[in-house]
Amino acid sequence: GAVVSQHPSWVICKSGTSVKIECRSLDFQATTMFWYRQFPKQSLMLMATSNEGSKATYEQGVEKDKFLINHASLTLSTLTVTSAHPEDSSFYICSAQPGTGRVDEQYFGPGTRLTVT
Amino acid sequence: QKEVEQNSGPLSVPEGAIASLNCTYSDRVSQSFFWYRQYSGKSPELIMSIYSNGDKEDGRFTAQLNKASQYVSLLIRDSQPSDSATYLCAVRENYGQNFVFGPGTRLSVLP
Repeated sequence: GAVVSQHPSWVICKSGTSVKIECRSLDFQATTMFWYRQFPKQSLMLMATSNEGSKATYEQGVEKDKFLINHASLTLSTLTVTSAHPEDSSFYICSAQPGTGRVDEQYFGPGTRLTVT
Repeated sequence: QKEVEQNSGPLSVPEGAIASLNCTYSDRVSQSFFWYRQYSGKSPELIMSIYSNGDKEDGRFTAQLNKASQYVSLLIRDSQPSDSATYLCAVRENYGQNFVFGPGTRLSVLP
């Protein structure tokens, strides 16, 4: 149980284009999903917290107009990196928190490696 | 600002030994504590959660929590080379939803 998937697992895009990353909880409903970014040899950096049906809460320093988050259902959240630039190249990881049962735990997706050329 | 601190390592232990990973946190009201393992190039996976003072054992893993000292640790018995990874300590805010992650400790188990 508690499986989270992400798609795509890796993506290469040109500077100035937009990229959408999907995060799905496969066997549970997630009232809350988190989006993290991780640069090489660094720890996780929380970008934003999203609750189903409401606007995401962004961490300080994260541009909400650049990183668009949509949490349209209890099993799906999307992160769109708009007008991507090489400095946006990173490992993007989502996590999901169950709405029932072990509500205090987070389960991570496998991550999406974004390379902007 | 809430902080979670870990020794970045690398911590090297021989195969079969006990690996001890430590974590301290600054927010005294934190109630939930987690250990995640992250292999290079992969996302973190949950190993253990602990909420009460004392020890919690799961297989070869034991988490220890001391809220008075604001300290949580993870012991790995009979360490295996496959345990070589970065171990992340995470603390949950008492009244919020966010986890605060430490920088991680890199463990290397030598065969």
